Amino acid sequence: QQPVQSPQAVILREGEDAVINCSSSKALYSVHWYRQKHGEAPVFLMILLKGGEQKGHEKISASFNEKKQQSSLYLTASQLSYSGTYFCGPRLTGANNLFFGTGTRLTVIP
Amino acid sequence: NAGVTQTPKFQVLKTGQSMTLQCAQDMNHNSMYWYRQDPGMGLRLIYYSASEGTTDKGEVPNGYNVSRLNKREFSLRLESAAPSQTSVYFCASSDGSAGRGNEQFFGPGTRLTVL
Repeated sequence: QQPVQSPQAVILREGEDAVINCSSSKALYSVHWYRQKHGEAPVFLMILLKGGEQKGHEKISASFNEKKQQSSLYLTASQLSYSGTYFCGPRLTGANNLFFGTGTRLTVIP
Repeated sequence: NAGVTQTPKFQVLKTGQSMTLQCAQDMNHNSMYWYRQDPGMGLRLIYYSASEGTTDKGEVPNGYNVSRLNKREFSLRLESAAPSQTSVYFCASSDGSAGRGNEQFFGPGTRLTVL
């Protein structure tokens, strides 16, 4: 039931853009996105709900395609502070809780 | 406002020993969660408590027990630790169910090693 994230790792230069994808083999009700810096706790970025509602930080954008059972996180004009591991956590239709992906390690270099 | 706090931060156990990981939140949240994080595995849910007085199994509950002591506190107990339980444990809380679109707030984690 664990979603698949791609890419597994990406290196960007400051100012470049990146897209992180999260795919599930099962129908999704909602998708959470979190960022975790090394040795720290995950921090909330965004929630996308069925029907198009979104809650999250204004500087982060994401999409949720219910039909394709996938979500994408868009990071534009990347900054050094964007470095970390990004996790998606979908809630599957019929389940009560989240199943997190294995993460995408993003490194932003000067 | 401390958010979610966890104790201890680090712990080393021998196989067969028992211990309790403590978690407390001061945000008046209803739901609380215990996750474990292993390298390359992401976060996996062990147990959760949707509200005070209720607990339910998550994805990987074997070898663990939990107690929702009150609205603030949610503890995780390892009765007989095994090396396979070496991991980083995170406690989290949310106002309502995370599955219904509520943001989770995570504690700083407990790094547990079982020898």
